[in-house]
Amino acid sequence: KNEVEQSPQNLTAQEGEFITINCSYSVGISALHWLQQHPGGGIVSLFMLSSGKKKHGRLIATINIQEKHSSLHITASHPRDSAVYICAVVRADGLTFGKGTHLIIQP
Amino acid sequence: DTEVTQTPKHLVMGMTNKKSLKCEQHMGHRAMYWYKQKAKKPPELMFVYSYEKLSINESVPSRFSPECPNSSLLNLHLHALQPEDSALYLCASSDAPSFTGELFFGEGSRLTVL
Repeated sequence: KNEVEQSPQNLTAQEGEFITINCSYSVGISALHWLQQHPGGGIVSLFMLSSGKKKHGRLIATINIQEKHSSLHITASHPRDSAVYICAVVRADGLTFGKGTHLIIQP
Repeated sequence: DTEVTQTPKHLVMGMTNKKSLKCEQHMGHRAMYWYKQKAKKPPELMFVYSYEKLSINESVPSRFSPECPNSSLLNLHLHALQPEDSALYLCASSDAPSFTGELFFGEGSRLTVL
């Protein structure tokens, strides 16, 4: 079993829909990153969380340390949100990445 | 300036060539990282530099040789690579050396080994 599980692996939605991507982990962590990667390369850090909830524009990230679970929400989704979203947990020996969620928002 | 700049963006090299990838940041971050990413896979950590010293080497073959000339620059020297080393090489930096700071990634250098 992977230490970091993301769901769904793939998600296609219509523009305007509310999107939720989930991340569950089975190890002790000190923080969790949500990352976005567009086709062709670079990764953008969206959030780093160690507790509670953070909001930036249309993006909201939450974490429940007791339940070892985090969610990334996108409100009023737009085709430019199409990307791979990666959850990465911070452990003493480094980052452990989930396999990513491939999101496609159709116009 | 909140950018991590990587050059070159694309590199094609033969198995006998020697080349280098470069990474630069001017955010005053004291931790810099090299990751390797194969298609449709998450990034794999290669090296971590903390305060310009190599702190983590994830059992990377010696044909990859990192160098941190100063706090703003990180190089990855490549020699005698194999075709399976073809991948996207990502550089990242953070202000906290233990991965708990916000991470800033470059756009990556896409390497093809012929």
